[in-house]
Amino acid sequence: DIQMTQSPSSLSASLGDRVTITCRASQRITNYLNWYQQKPGKAPKVLIYSASSLQSGVPSRFSGSGSGTDFTLTISSLQAEDFAAYYCQQSYGMPYTFGQGTKLDIK
Amino acid sequence: QVQLQQWGAGLLKPSETLSLTCAVYGGSFSGYYWSWIRQPPGKGLEWIGEINHSGSTDYNPPLKSRVTILADTSKNQFSLKLTSVTAADTALYYCAREVVTATGYYYMDVWGKGTTVTVSS
Repeated sequence: DIQMTQSPSSLSASLGDRVTITCRASQRITNYLNWYQQKPGKAPKVLIYSASSLQSGVPSRFSGSGSGTDFTLTISSLQAEDFAAYYCQQSYGMPYTFGQGTKLDIK
Repeated sequence: QVQLQQWGAGLLKPSETLSLTCAVYGGSFSGYYWSWIRQPPGKGLEWIGEINHSGSTDYNPPLKSRVTILADTSKNQFSLKLTSVTAADTALYYCAREVVTATGYYYMDVWGKGTTVTVSS
């Protein structure tokens, strides 16, 4: 299986901050990498697919980059509604695997 | 707007079979993959498996011997069965639609609200 490792596991930030979350794959996955946001008590919501494509309806402050094994999710200016957990997921090979998650909370 | 509505038994005893169903409303069943994902309390996401409209399936190997995912295209529904459950199967179970882009990328774009399943004697 392809292991996905996110860092950090948790992060405290302030409104307006620029935040970056990293995801590393245990083998090359080209750009078959998706990012999801999950708020407490809610289902995950896709933000970014194929490493850098913004899902329709997702604010442009979210962006993704990377290829191969190393990927990043960046939030350019944190808004109140962005405090949540974030997961990366590879769709390069079966079984699909997720990172362990990054919990973003208010400093 | 596509919505997924899921249901099933929420409390099971060890060794029983987990059974969940997910109905697709407001969209086509064909042309997509349909997945099940679970999340143990306070933990991350684990992909269980998927099915497409023609019935082709893929399962996560650690669960493969206990999992069956079926589709009923006449009802726009798909289901999950997990046999011989233990406390380790206690989790929030989600169904999700998996879209394939024109350039061949896969991601889950529509999710059900989740069903909490607790396994306890």
